Amino acid sequence: DAKTTQPTSMDCAEGRAANLPCNHSTISGNEYVYWYRQIHSQGPQYIIHGLKNNETNEMASLIITEDRKSSTLILPHATLRDTAVYYCIVRGFIDGGTSYGKLTFGQGTILTVHP
Amino acid sequence: DTGVSQNPRHKITKRGQNVTFRCDPISEHNRLYWYRQTLGQGPEFLTYFQNEAQLEKSRLLSDRFSAERPKGSFSTLEIQRTEQGDSAMYLCASSLEGGRYTFGSGTRLTVV
Repeated sequence: DAKTTQPTSMDCAEGRAANLPCNHSTISGNEYVYWYRQIHSQGPQYIIHGLKNNETNEMASLIITEDRKSSTLILPHATLRDTAVYYCIVRGFIDGGTSYGKLTFGQGTILTVHP
Repeated sequence: DTGVSQNPRHKITKRGQNVTFRCDPISEHNRLYWYRQTLGQGPEFLTYFQNEAQLEKSRLLSDRFSAERPKGSFSTLEIQRTEQGDSAMYLCASSLEGGRYTFGSGTRLTVV
């Protein structure tokens, strides 16, 4: 799976949008971009994923650049409860393209939302 | 959907003892994953099952570690002859193949 690069930490004011960047310059055509977050002392939680089109759900938006070498997770109105470690993961196929591979986590971005 | 359940939540053991953790996945999920997480690090993959078959094991999984998933339902992770370096959070996740992972809250192991 392609390696991702994320900033170690970011700050955001409550109520403002949090924009978390991720570089994945070696991503291949059939690899998806996934975002998970982990709040202290809990297991990681799925946020969103995408292939090449922008995606939006009730939690966040995912913007993937046209060349797919980078993406941005947007939390439109950050709250204190969004303080967490955010992981950007690229996930591809194995077994000749017949099966999805596992998720491989990096160190993520520590997002701190402050009042 | 009751989520992924892990037991116990916390385990303190003496060095050299054996410990076993249990994971109950979401019932319709055919894949089950084990990860280990130490302080300040992201989760590290240990092994995963598709139904009852163990399809991949990380080289992190030494011969003191063994995982099973009998009948493709719950799974156990056993660590024999624990060492202080085994102290970590052990996370279990389940999914449908290709689907999003649902993680449990983990078992925190402390080896003293």
